[in-house]
Amino acid sequence: DSGVTQTPKHLITATGQRVTLRCSPRSGDLSVYWYQQSLDQGLQFLIQYYNGEERAKGNILERFSAQQFPDLHSELNLSSLELGDSALYFCASRGGGTYGYTFGSGTRLTVV
Amino acid sequence: DQQVKQNSPSLSVQEGRISILNCDYTNSMFDYFLWYKKYPAEGPTFLISISSIKDKNEDGRFTVFLNKSAKHLSLHIVPSQPGDSAVYFCAASVITSGTYKYIFGTGTRLKVLA
Repeated sequence: DSGVTQTPKHLITATGQRVTLRCSPRSGDLSVYWYQQSLDQGLQFLIQYYNGEERAKGNILERFSAQQFPDLHSELNLSSLELGDSALYFCASRGGGTYGYTFGSGTRLTVV
Repeated sequence: DQQVKQNSPSLSVQEGRISILNCDYTNSMFDYFLWYKKYPAEGPTFLISISSIKDKNEDGRFTVFLNKSAKHLSLHIVPSQPGDSAVYFCAASVITSGTYKYIFGTGTRLKVLA
């Protein structure tokens, strides 16, 4: 157990629908990062939050949004889903003064 | 623009031999490099890292080498064990909007044959 919790582990939904992925960071970590891993793709950075505020954006589509709540958990909202959104979505957290991320086990999203 | 590249999608090595995984990058501003290992159905786990001011870092069977002039990073695993079979990602850190974020390569799938 890495200490980063992601739910759900698996999600199957239809095109056009909206889903919410949830992440609880390691205790004490203020930064949360979202990554997408598609087939044969590396980990694509989507967005980062630090203590409730958006800090950096990567290749995140306009149909996707995220937020970090006062208790530091984060949610990634994916809307108007397309088949190409099928991927593994990872959340990672990072504590102050450390370089490495700690990843959750991911949410596998399948859009049918 | 893929700033961190792992050009070998897969690698097979005999147990006991050396595994060498390679990574190239384009941004000379990267200041920290990491390797992550990922097993199926699990998130990536941190393996080893190196600062840009060093050229080598060793941790047990794992050694990372950095050649800044060539913008090349490699991970050596000696001796390779079947349990090392996984996907390995290299990553480089960059400061964006005053915060660190990591750019990952596409991964290399290592298979260690018993």
